Amino acid sequence: EVQLVESGGGLVQPGRSLRLSCTTSGFTFDDYVMHWVRQAPGKGLEWVASINWNSGGVEYSDSVKGRFTISRDNANNSLYLQMNSLRPEDTALYYCAKGWGGLVITSWFDPWGQGTLVTVSS
Amino acid sequence: EIVLTQSPGTLSLSPGERATLSCRASQSVISSYLAWYQHKPGQAPRLLIYSASSRATGIPDRFSGSGSGTDFTLTISRLEPEDFAVYYCQQYGSSPLTFGQGTRLEIK
Repeated sequence: EVQLVESGGGLVQPGRSLRLSCTTSGFTFDDYVMHWVRQAPGKGLEWVASINWNSGGVEYSDSVKGRFTISRDNANNSLYLQMNSLRPEDTALYYCAKGWGGLVITSWFDPWGQGTLVTVSS
Repeated sequence: EIVLTQSPGTLSLSPGERATLSCRASQSVISSYLAWYQHKPGQAPRLLIYSASSRATGIPDRFSGSGSGTDFTLTISRLEPEDFAVYYCQQYGSSPLTFGQGTRLEIK
C-alpha cells in the first residue's frame, strides 16, 4: 500500500523558515515525480511545487518562487519543502502527493498524504 | 496560466439522483490532461478521473468523466450518501498546474 506521511508543520512567525518532510513507502520512490499542494483555511487546492525523479526538473508556483525549495532524497524515500521568508498567506494545510511517471513534471496527484498544517502568525 | 472555472459552486441533490459538474478552461487543455478529485473534510483528496475520462483504480463506475478542449464534465450517475463532498478539477497539460475553485455537492 502506498503511504505518504507529512511532518514538520507548526506555528511560525512571519519572515521565519520551516522545513516540511514527506516520508513515503509502498512504491519505488525514485520512479516518480513528487508534488506539494496546499489548502488555505476555507479555500481551494493550490499547487505549490513539483520535482522529477532525479531532481533535474523542478517547478514552483509564482506565489512561492524564490522563497520555497523542493528537494528529495531518493535513498531515504523522502520529499522535502524548505519554506523561507514565510508570510501569513502561506498559512495552509500542506499535502505531498505522488505524480505519474518520473520525468515530466506535469501530472495528476495520486495518492495524497493527510497533510501537515503550517500557521504563519505573530 | 490556464484558469479553470467550475460550476455550479454548490449543487444540492438527493441520494439516487444524477450529478453533473462542469469545469471550463480559459484555454484548451493539452491532450485532455484533466483530472477530477473528491475531497471530504479531514481526509486527503482522492483522484477520481484522469485524462478527462479514465477512472482511477478502485473508483466506482457511477463516476464518469467526459470532455475535451475547454469543456469537461464529471457525472455521478446515482448519488450514494458517501458521494457528498467537494469536487475539484485540475489540469496538468501545462505549467503551472492549476485547480478549479471546487464544486460543493451537498445533500438536499
